[in-house]
Amino acid sequence: GAVVSQHPSRVICKSGTSVKIECRSLDFQATTMFWYRQFPKQSLMLMATSNEGSKATYEQGVEKDKFLINHASLTLSTLTVTSAHPEDSSFYICSARDQIGELFFGEGSRLTVL
Amino acid sequence: QKEVEQDPGPLSVPEGAIVSLNCTYSNSAFQYFMWYRQYSRKGPELLMYTYSSGNKEDGRFTAQVDKSSKYISLFIRDSQPSDSATYLCAMSASGGSYIPTFGRGTSLIVHP
Repeated sequence: GAVVSQHPSRVICKSGTSVKIECRSLDFQATTMFWYRQFPKQSLMLMATSNEGSKATYEQGVEKDKFLINHASLTLSTLTVTSAHPEDSSFYICSARDQIGELFFGEGSRLTVL
Repeated sequence: QKEVEQDPGPLSVPEGAIVSLNCTYSNSAFQYFMWYRQYSRKGPELLMYTYSSGNKEDGRFTAQVDKSSKYISLFIRDSQPSDSATYLCAMSASGGSYIPTFGRGTSLIVHP
């Protein structure tokens, strides 16, 4: 099956710094990628939908200036958590949709802000 | 009321048992139903995908959809310790351009 690579898998940073997470579709072109946030024992919360070459569409309540999303190519989308604070600590997961509409998920990135 | 309801568990069963995982939903427009398996600290992986009502079988897994009751199930036969994971249901109203709505997941523990 298709593979989506997410990097880094784990990151620890100091409060106030920015962190970038990459999501790559390795063997298919993904015109649409999604970014989710997941708290322990909770479901996936959709943060934004990212379309290649256009601005991301953010879900209600998600600060677009806080969570910068760039989808510059058909195989790469990035999520940057700007000026991270401890409450931003979470598990962030990306997914990419292939040409027939199937969703493939990355392995997730665990962010810990000290 | 949430659009998709799923009991978080944990559900603990002995090896070899038949497992039944369920979700209910409120949006009658949902037509596509998925089950994902998520191991700890990993991203979800698609297990089963069904359209509209009926059953679908794949090896030890059977997905069942009852649209009249707005109720979907995933059955796992001959459960194994390696099946221990969180199982998330997801559903959407449209096909190729869908954005699924996820349940919160049920934690399954299969003990030897």
